[in-house]
Amino acid sequence: EPEVTQTPSHQVTQMGQEVILRCVPISNHLYFYWYRQILGQKVEFLVSFYNNEISEKSEIFDDQFSVERPDGSNFTLKIRSTKLEDSAMYFCASSVSGGPGGDTDTQYFGPGTRLTVL
Amino acid sequence: AQSVAQPEDQVNVAEGNPLTVKCTYSVSGNPYLFWYVQYPNRGLQFLLKYITGDNLVKGSYGFEAEFNKSQTSFHLKKPSALVSDSALYFCAVRDSPPASWGKFQFGAGTQVVVTP
Repeated sequence: EPEVTQTPSHQVTQMGQEVILRCVPISNHLYFYWYRQILGQKVEFLVSFYNNEISEKSEIFDDQFSVERPDGSNFTLKIRSTKLEDSAMYFCASSVSGGPGGDTDTQYFGPGTRLTVL
Repeated sequence: AQSVAQPEDQVNVAEGNPLTVKCTYSVSGNPYLFWYVQYPNRGLQFLLKYITGDNLVKGSYGFEAEFNKSQTSFHLKKPSALVSDSALYFCAVRDSPPASWGKFQFGAGTQVVVTP
């Protein structure tokens, strides 16, 4: 069964450094998402991406964040200058469509990248 | 704006007993509701969803959920819980375009503990 994959599984970085989190969505999916989960808190939406453009973003997704689909398979989240409060589990997700309706808008999640900012 | 609430931080149930995990929602338009499960050190796994139609939705691993429009609820149920069902369960809601283009709003999660 196709899966969303994410690398690395754990990233440790110093405050102020740039990090790039990588995701490979399911191959026939067209919509891509990033969420984050701070330890002990709920999963929060960051951004959705379709047709090489951001479709929707949350207030968390400020100028320090950017997303890119550099090729036909990868989807990346970049944090330009990490802060301590960026420490969280970051989940990538993908869906066939932006929906809603039918089976095509279900979002399938990757295993996550745990980001630790020191 | 959409929101979802899971009123219980933890649900404890004995193996073989019925399991219910509660979820209530608020959306401006038609609700599109989902349940996901998270096992330790794993991503979120899709269980089931309600888009339209029959109020009782059946999903993976024997789970089902009942959509109740009047009570704005979407409780997850399983008739007979297994120890392997112990995990963190998330309810999620999304709004329809153009209000939202795929953004899921997740609840805080409910930890389910099934004891042998």
